[in-house]
Amino acid sequence: AQKVTQAQTEISVVEKEDVTLDCVYETRDTTYYLFWYKQPPSGELVFLIRRNSFDEQNEISGRYSWNFQKSTSSFNFTITASQVVDSAVYFCALSDLGAMDSNYQLIWGAGTKLIIKP
Amino acid sequence: DGGITQSPKYLFRKEGQNVTLSCEQNLNHDAMYWYRQDPGQGLRLIYYSQIVNDFQKGDIAEGYSVSREKKESFPLTVTSAQKNPTAFYLCASTWGGGTEAFFGQGTRLTVV
Repeated sequence: AQKVTQAQTEISVVEKEDVTLDCVYETRDTTYYLFWYKQPPSGELVFLIRRNSFDEQNEISGRYSWNFQKSTSSFNFTITASQVVDSAVYFCALSDLGAMDSNYQLIWGAGTKLIIKP
Repeated sequence: DGGITQSPKYLFRKEGQNVTLSCEQNLNHDAMYWYRQDPGQGLRLIYYSQIVNDFQKGDIAEGYSVSREKKESFPLTVTSAQKNPTAFYLCASTWGGGTEAFFGQGTRLTVV
């Protein structure tokens, strides 16, 4: 069965510190996609990144970076030099390509609440 | 601009009433979803639809109903059978498996 685990319920750091949010996934499929979303206090989920299972290259976008490791089934997210505006709930999600028992569903982690203190 | 529009942003329901939450998208996406989010919790799937006139129950469908008469629209009705409807409801759409989901702004439903 598919599953996404975000073991960190809440993380609190002081501004300018680096912080890593963990995501561990389980799937039987060889072809799948992983996602990260940000949910600010306003509530709307904002898409951050999509990574397919065949591309293990790390990705960097400004202060954000993602580390995908199939060997450990992890897709971790790091914010460098955190800012107060990064405070939000971050969700990791998994999707396969529509196998018989998936029906295009996104499997969500429980989310990690990130608090950046000034 | 393309996107997903949910309305209303806030909704108050009296006990025993049915209420309908609107979700419209102009992204030409095939699949649409409804999620429920309780305070401090993650997303739970209520219903989803891959094509017009077809929809499937998610993990917590009891007390909810949907329709998909048009590709652009996927309204959710919270019926009186839903005993604890107070929550934040999010609508999303995607091209299909493996593609990113786009979300609406959400509807915050409160039972009064």
